[in-house]
Amino acid sequence: EDQVTQSPEALRLQEGESSSLNCSYTVSGLRGLFWYRQDPGKGPEFLFTLYSAGEEKEKERLKATLTKKESFLHITAPKPEDSATYLCAVQAIGANSKLTFGKGITLSVRP
Amino acid sequence: KAGVTQTPRYLIKTRGQQVTLSCSPISGHRSVSWYQQTPGQGLQFLFEYFSETQRNKGNFPGRFSGRQFSNSRSEMNVSTLELGDSALYLCASSWGIGVSPSYGYTFGSGTRLTVV
Repeated sequence: EDQVTQSPEALRLQEGESSSLNCSYTVSGLRGLFWYRQDPGKGPEFLFTLYSAGEEKEKERLKATLTKKESFLHITAPKPEDSATYLCAVQAIGANSKLTFGKGITLSVRP
Repeated sequence: KAGVTQTPRYLIKTRGQQVTLSCSPISGHRSVSWYQQTPGQGLQFLFEYFSETQRNKGNFPGRFSGRQFSNSRSEMNVSTLELGDSALYLCASSWGIGVSPSYGYTFGSGTRLTVV
């Protein structure tokens, strides 16, 4: 059974204090790993798709990386508007559109 | 372009009743997936539809069902509601199935169902 574990559950940062969010996964065969951001009362908003170990993608202050067992979402010099819950999900080969999600990491950035 | 539209946004139902939720995908998207989100379990996959056919199903009881219409719009139904069915129900759409889209799956804002 595919599993995704995210840590820590919650993270509080000072504005400008860089950090990383961890996503550990087990999957029979990885077709893709997804990062989403979710604000309260809204649906998840897509950030990145990663396909193979060693791949990296960047968007503004966010950078996602992938190994065979983990993915990291690095946040550089965060701002208060980066406060949200960050979700990691894996998609297995043969699973069609099914995503298996972790429980998310709630990030709070203080000004 | 318009995003994924879910209606209604909020719903309050009584135990034992049934409920139908609607999802209109992005124009041109033919795949619709449904998820249940609760504080304890996070997002859990319910089922997915493509070309009016159910292609995959999660581990939920038979009280949860769905369908997709020829215009790709989808509905999910929950019968004999239980208190534990209170959750945010999300749908996501994409163009096809069998690939992991580089642009991800687009989620709607969800329907908040409260069972009393």
